[in-house]
Amino acid sequence: GAGVSQSPSNKVTEKGKDVELRCDPISGHTALYWYRQSLGQGLEFLIYFQGNSAPDKSGLPSDRFSAERTGGSVSTLTIQRTQQEDSAVYLCASSPDGNYGYTFGSGTRLTVV
Amino acid sequence: KNEVEQSPQNLTAQEGEFITINCSYSVGISALHWLQQHPGGGIVSLFMLSSGKKKHGRLIATINIQEKHSSLHITASHPRDSAVYICAAPGYGGSQGNLIFGKGTKLSVKP
Repeated sequence: GAGVSQSPSNKVTEKGKDVELRCDPISGHTALYWYRQSLGQGLEFLIYFQGNSAPDKSGLPSDRFSAERTGGSVSTLTIQRTQQEDSAVYLCASSPDGNYGYTFGSGTRLTVV
Repeated sequence: KNEVEQSPQNLTAQEGEFITINCSYSVGISALHWLQQHPGGGIVSLFMLSSGKKKHGRLIATINIQEKHSSLHITASHPRDSAVYICAAPGYGGSQGNLIFGKGTKLSVKP
């Protein structure tokens, strides 16, 4: 597609449930990034995929968070046993190879009630 | 780990004024990002620069690698420039996506 597509755009879930957030990067972009922005807080890095290299998972806040990227394209961020502090906007971005500016998706607003 | 500081936190300007936003970081990097976040929340990548200066329309970004400092300038500011401007640097140097973000500068341009 023309841009980075994220789904759903909004998700309300009950505490303790699992959620999956999807990111469809720009076709051909080998680098894919997940960030999150909590209410009133700045952006923080979660995970980064670059081609076939092992992902940089150093930003994942706990082992309840995981992400995969299938076939070098679509990525799914999974949060297990959601907590209220997981409420945030989760943003995905992609880049041709990591050495050029990123294109951001419009984000998934996650609310844990 | 890199520390990224931005100033000012808030900036109000009159239409037509020249704007400067500053960003400093603590660990040497190979590229720094400037982002724009609109009131609706969407984020746009403005610049990714590793040296010297880049220009796009009325926006100019400069970086001094030795001083670990970057500036974003807006010439002839316009109300539509009102947004939060964020700089970001790799957390551990290099140009990877493990970015540390500044807290942002909220710019309001009055007509």
